[in-house]
Amino acid sequence: NAGVTQTPKFRVLKTGQSMTLLCAQDMNHEYMYWYRQDPGMGLRLIHYSVGEGTTAKGEVPDGYNVSRLKKQNFLLGLESAAPSQTSVYFCASSYEDNEQFFGPGTRLTVL
Amino acid sequence: SQQGEEDPQALSIQEGENATMNCSYKTSINNLQWYRQNSGRGLVHLILIRSNEREKHSGRLRVTLDTSKKSSSLLITASRAADTASYFCASISGSARQLTFGSGTQLTVLP
Repeated sequence: NAGVTQTPKFRVLKTGQSMTLLCAQDMNHEYMYWYRQDPGMGLRLIHYSVGEGTTAKGEVPDGYNVSRLKKQNFLLGLESAAPSQTSVYFCASSYEDNEQFFGPGTRLTVL
Repeated sequence: SQQGEEDPQALSIQEGENATMNCSYKTSINNLQWYRQNSGRGLVHLILIRSNEREKHSGRLRVTLDTSKKSSSLLITASRAADTASYFCASISGSARQLTFGSGTQLTVLP
């Protein structure tokens, strides 16, 4: 099993550009999450999903959108990137409120 | 705001010594989890303790939970250089279905 995978691993954007980060899991988990991690800080939840077709806002949702069209995939979109969105983005999945399995992260730089 | 706060922020010990990290949280929890993050990598789940449990062991790890003080501790016994990493506590409260992370403890184990 691949677990949780994320694409791309690295990306550089210019201010105002858009992009989509893809997260995929093969563990048949209902719950999926997107976090961002900034230097010296813990993870902050952007959006999450408790099942196919459902999404909800986390702690820092502004500037991001998500979609969960298939159970195994969770997409994070940036419609108009800003330098403040420079961060490392992690996707995770879990079975209900149990341990979360994390992907390797996407390092995004917005110039 | 961060639900959990780790203490200390940084800890440096010699190989073979024990390492203790503490976590405090603000609201009642369903469970509390500890994760490890090696530099530049995703988070790895270490242990989960539920609100009705007081102590849990997993290999060289021992976690305690004191709900009256809203605190938890992670003890790593007989530390190894490979234990060098950042350690985060994270909690789930009520029906939030969200893990809220602390800012982490950076552990350095010197050979």
